[in-house]
Amino acid sequence: GAVVSQHPSRVICKSGTSVKIECRSLDFQATTMFWYRQFPKQSLMLMATSNEGSKATYEQGVEKDKFLINHASLTLSTLTVTSAHPEDSSFYICSAYTSGVPYEQYFGPGTRLTVT
Amino acid sequence: AQSVTQLGSHVSVSEGALVLLRCNYSSSVPPYLFWYVQYPNQGLQLLLKYTSAATLVKGINGFEAEFKKSETSFHLTKPSAHMSDAAEYFCAVRGNQGGKLIFGQGTELSVKP
Repeated sequence: GAVVSQHPSRVICKSGTSVKIECRSLDFQATTMFWYRQFPKQSLMLMATSNEGSKATYEQGVEKDKFLINHASLTLSTLTVTSAHPEDSSFYICSAYTSGVPYEQYFGPGTRLTVT
Repeated sequence: AQSVTQLGSHVSVSEGALVLLRCNYSSSVPPYLFWYVQYPNQGLQLLLKYTSAATLVKGINGFEAEFKKSETSFHLTKPSAHMSDAAEYFCAVRGNQGGKLIFGQGTELSVKP
């Protein structure tokens, strides 16, 4: 079945530093990947839609200069949290969308970011 | 615009009892609807999906859901709860824009021994 990986699974960084999270589709090509943020006991909040070879589309209220998304290939998208602050601490989940049948999103296992 | 509402942020059942998690949707077009499960500190796993074929959809782990257009509902059920079913469950509807999913607030299912 379709597998999506995320790396790292857990990261702790100091305030002011940048952190990069990778999302890979391991056995299929994904022209579109989505990045979500999830706070404890809450639902997933879509941050941005990433299309291979083009600029990401950010949801309203998401700072594009803070959350840099790059989708350089059909199997890899990266999210970089720049100048991280404690309020950026969260669970970040990516998903990869199969543009052909069965038109499904497959979710990565998530990355727990803690900013100290 | 599409949206989903999950009734009840927390549901508690006894092991062996019926599980019923409620989801109502709003959509201006025939919806594609999904149920996902999330275990602590993990991503989402697809339980089942409705894509305008059969209205009763069977999924993994004994779960099923029935699409009722007249009630704009897509409730998730399982006849007999297991301890391993304790998790967070999300209902979602696919938006109009290229695969984008809109999630409900989630329902935490607890299973008592």
